[in-house]
Parts: sequence; structure tokens; C-alpha cells
Amino acid sequence: QQQVKQSPQSLIVQKGGISIINCAYENTAFDYFPWYQQFPGKGPALLIAIRPDVSEKKEGRFTISFNKSAKQFSLHIMDSQPGDSATYFCAASIRGGSEKLVFGKGTKLTVNP
Amino acid sequence: GAVVSQHPSRVICKSGTSVKIECRSLDFQATTMFWYRQFPKQSLMLMATSNEGSKATYEQGVEKDKFLINHASLTLSTLTVTSAHPEDSSFYICSARDAGPGGHEQFFGPGTRLTVL
Repeated sequence: QQQVKQSPQSLIVQKGGISIINCAYENTAFDYFPWYQQFPGKGPALLIAIRPDVSEKKEGRFTISFNKSAKQFSLHIMDSQPGDSATYFCAASIRGGSEKLVFGKGTKLTVNP
Repeated sequence: GAVVSQHPSRVICKSGTSVKIECRSLDFQATTMFWYRQFPKQSLMLMATSNEGSKATYEQGVEKDKFLINHASLTLSTLTVTSAHPEDSSFYICSARDAGPGGHEQFFGPGTRLTVL
């Protein structure tokens, strides 16, 4: 119930391509879905987050697509750049509750020049 | 943007010693801070939730007597790894949640690399 399943484990794309990372959850009480970017040796940084009352949110080259009925959400990185090479984590939490984030296992993205 | 700092950024200690890691929210007040550990190429594992002025809530399997957490103010939480052993070597990361109305985003610190010899 508490798991967030993330795929793929690793992803290699060419510069300018689209990177797509998918996550699925079981607990329907989750109502906050952030994505984090982490570079080696650094803490995660919040990229973008979505609430279940919208199906898509876009910020610059980053877009979250959310499918409430399928209990899935995904991160799309448009025009991927070598500087986007990092590990990406999806997460989910319940606002107003413990606020504990449940993380996916992460996706290591490599963008080749 | 909200900034969370950690000190030290890396520490090397001998087995059996205790190590204290500080987590500070620099430009906001945090009633709740979280402590995670992350092993190489793995996800973040929540260790405990730290609430200002009250006892921390530990996740299942985390020894509260080994990982002492103190959240004495709205901007500072500390994690003390007592009697550290090589298996405690890991990347420790804290996060802080803005205490403001509607705040639920967690902002992460840069992490502390602990190496126990």
C-alpha cells in the first residue's frame, strides 16, 4: 500500500530527446506527488510537483502527467540536455497527515551529447 | 527559495565514537524535519520524523538509542549517531517542511557523508 514503483531503473537518451520516467502507486490516499533531481554527492532538489486534481503540470522543459484512475504519474523532460544527467526520484505523500514522503527507487538518467 | 543546510558535509570517524550532524532551515521555520539515509545507488530511506519540541518518531527497524534526534528549535534539528560502526557509513540527508500555512513541500539539505573506519 505504501510503495511507489518507479521505472525504468536507468535511461539513456540523446541530447534534444525526450526523457520519460514513470511511477505507479497503490495508496489512493496519496495526494501530493513530487519529483526530485539528485546529482552525485548532493541532496535531492524538488523539480516539480502535482496534486491529483490536475492531469498535467508543466514547468519549463519538465512536465508531470497524472492519471488518477490508473494511479500512475510520469515525468517528461523535453529537449533533454547533458546537464540533466542525474538520478530522478518520484515520491508521494498525504498532505495534512504525517507528510512522510514515500520514494520510488530512482532512475539514473544519462543524456549523451 | 527555501534553503536547508547540513553540517558537516562529510565526516570520518573511528569505530565506537559518536557523530553529530546538524540540519538547519536558513530562511524559514520548520516544525517538522525528516532524517534519511541513502546507500550508494539506492533510494532515500526515511529514518525518523523530527517535530519541534517533541520526541522524534522513528521508522520501523531504526534504533532510536543509536540515532538520537533532537529538534530544539524551529530551525535546527540534530542527528547523533552514537557508537558508530562501519555499517553506519552512509549518506545522511535531512529535509525540512515549511511551517507556514499550506506548506507541505520538503526541502532537502545537501547531505552528510559519514565514513566510519
